[in-house]
Amino acid sequence: QSALTQPPSVSGSPGQSVTISCTGTSSDVGGYNRVSWYQQPPGTAPKFIIYEVTNRPSGVPDRFSGSKSGNTASLTISGLQAEDEADYYCSSYTSTSTYVFGTGTRVTVL
Amino acid sequence: EVQIVESGGGLVKPGGSLRLSCAASGFTFSDAWMSWVRQTPGKGLEWVGRIKRKIDGGTIDYAAPVKGRFTISRDDSRFTLYLQMSSLQTEDTAIYYCTLDSNYALFAWGQGTLVTVSS
Repeated sequence: QSALTQPPSVSGSPGQSVTISCTGTSSDVGGYNRVSWYQQPPGTAPKFIIYEVTNRPSGVPDRFSGSKSGNTASLTISGLQAEDEADYYCSSYTSTSTYVFGTGTRVTVL
Repeated sequence: EVQIVESGGGLVKPGGSLRLSCAASGFTFSDAWMSWVRQTPGKGLEWVGRIKRKIDGGTIDYAAPVKGRFTISRDDSRFTLYLQMSSLQTEDTAIYYCTLDSNYALFAWGQGTLVTVSS
């Protein structure tokens, strides 16, 4: 199972919006509404911020939103804040009952 | 509050074995699916495997790179998850995270335990 494809980095100024793409295949992202997203600030464990493509767990700010079209899922951070600077990973359930992660994206707040 | 604490990491020689433990609290462990995830220092995340709850058959699935070498098990009476690793290779060097797996997402993570495979 190959890793899902994410851009290595994205950046934006405070208050701007950034979008991270996550591209897979019909055997993972495209085949199931079981895409999740994780935030990992430097030196810490990942924290999950989106599940089932669009759902936010309690405590996650609503400036984080998820979507999907075909084999590509996306995470949008609206109203970027300094504390959003971190690595972000997508993940998808797959046709072989496993999970596959994305390659990861570093978000930099300028 | 959900708490997950991994232990058992350390230095092991290539070809050796190691068992990781994961102590869980703050949720009904016997009702939970649990997954292991690893992260090579400075690199990305890799899913290792998952064990379902007994009522769902206790099914265990593994990622291809570890299948046949790693074994996941659970002791619901001790609220503990295990990862038995054998035939370890240098490529298995990573931080290993224990996670609560729910709604096909990894809802809670421990702080991880570092496994270093080196001669």
